[in-house]
Amino acid sequence: DAGVIQSPRHEVTEMGQEVTLRCKPISGHDYLFWYRQTMMRGLELLIYFNNNVPIDDSGMPEDRFSAKMPNASFSTLKIQPSEPRDSAVYFCASSKDRGYEQFFGPGTRLTVL
Amino acid sequence: AQSVTQPDIHITVSEGASLELRCNYSYGATPYLFWYVQSPGQGLQLLLKYFSGDTLVQGIKGFEAEFKRSQSSFNLRKPSVHWSDAAEYFCAVGAAGGSYIPTFGRGTSLIVHP
Repeated sequence: DAGVIQSPRHEVTEMGQEVTLRCKPISGHDYLFWYRQTMMRGLELLIYFNNNVPIDDSGMPEDRFSAKMPNASFSTLKIQPSEPRDSAVYFCASSKDRGYEQFFGPGTRLTVL
Repeated sequence: AQSVTQPDIHITVSEGASLELRCNYSYGATPYLFWYVQSPGQGLQLLLKYFSGDTLVQGIKGFEAEFKRSQSSFNLRKPSVHWSDAAEYFCAVGAAGGSYIPTFGRGTSLIVHP
């Protein structure tokens, strides 16, 4: 298996622009997680899905953030409008079950100018 | 809810020296425990995990960890560190049976001197 795939790997955008991050989980994994990593706050869980259904989005910082999972092999995290404080590395991870080991993608480094 | 503490933000060791990274957790029942490593510019990779059984678990890259229930700890060890071990290390705790999503610690940055 190719592992969790994320795109793009790097994204530089200007404040106010829409940003869409993409993730392809490992086939057969029923759970998908989106994390944000910053120096100040460490690794934060934003939202997770089970069988394509959002289960807990309490970590999503603001209404500017939204996530979807239209099918078992694809998820997006969208920020609209983006702000400089959104600059971070965003990780997608998947797992077979909720409490078990997670497999992380390589991350998307987002810079908002 | 569970929580995890990694008391050391940074650890510096010389190449060839032994290593121990500390992890303390808070959870009222039997935990699932994990250690992950994050090399620069990469995602987190699982080093090892503890679910049940032998409290000393072996992982990849020569790492091991010991679950000590009485101390609520799951410290990561390696007898001889290599320069390539320089990375960020994360401990995570979940609930036995997988009923909760694992909670991650803040991480410990390992610096290896030649």
